[in-house]
Amino acid sequence: GEDVEQSLFLSVREGDSSVINCTYTDSSSTYLYWYKQEPGAGLQLLTYIFSNMDMKQDQRLTVLLNKKDKHLSLRIADTQTGDSAIYFCAEGRTGGSYIPTFGRGTSLIVHP
Amino acid sequence: DAGVTQSPTHLIKTRGQHVTLRCSPISGHKSVSWYQQVLGQGPQFIFQYYEKEERGRGNFPDRFSARQFPNYSSELNVNALLLGDSALYLCASSLGHPHQPQHFGDGTRLSIL
Repeated sequence: GEDVEQSLFLSVREGDSSVINCTYTDSSSTYLYWYKQEPGAGLQLLTYIFSNMDMKQDQRLTVLLNKKDKHLSLRIADTQTGDSAIYFCAEGRTGGSYIPTFGRGTSLIVHP
Repeated sequence: DAGVTQSPTHLIKTRGQHVTLRCSPISGHKSVSWYQQVLGQGPQFIFQYYEKEERGRGNFPDRFSARQFPNYSSELNVNALLLGDSALYLCASSLGHPHQPQHFGDGTRLSIL
């Protein structure tokens, strides 16, 4: 079946790097996404990567994809207190009906 | 440009009632999806519409229904509300092509008493 798994919590000190990990089971996944959710808000798309890519960098964000192990990670450089939020990994596949499947989310807590 | 807008932002209902939630997509987006997010969980897919046609349905009972209008806005209806329907209901819009990611609204917080 299809499943996306993430660790539930991550605590880092301000200025350090954060690495949030995600594993997925559907080998036909074509697109993998990272969303951020702040309290009381909807999901904000941070970045996404196609399955034929190994890495994507966007300012402080670096996404690494290991397709063989079905492992995705999001690295946030120079983590700030404003980065404290829940981060969701989502996977999707091509087809007539594109519907992403979300993990449970990783709560990132940044200490001053 | 306005993002995805949802109304109302908060709603309180009692068991057995029905509710209608509304969503306006980003201008130019033809696909709208609805998700239920229970506290502590990721969003669970309910429906997806594209060009006014249902394109996907998640594992939710028939009490849940939706539709998309000619202007691409959408409504989610839930009948015979149960306590377990208490959640944040999120709407997301996209251009509708597989490589286009979804953009989410801030959701409607539904509380069932």
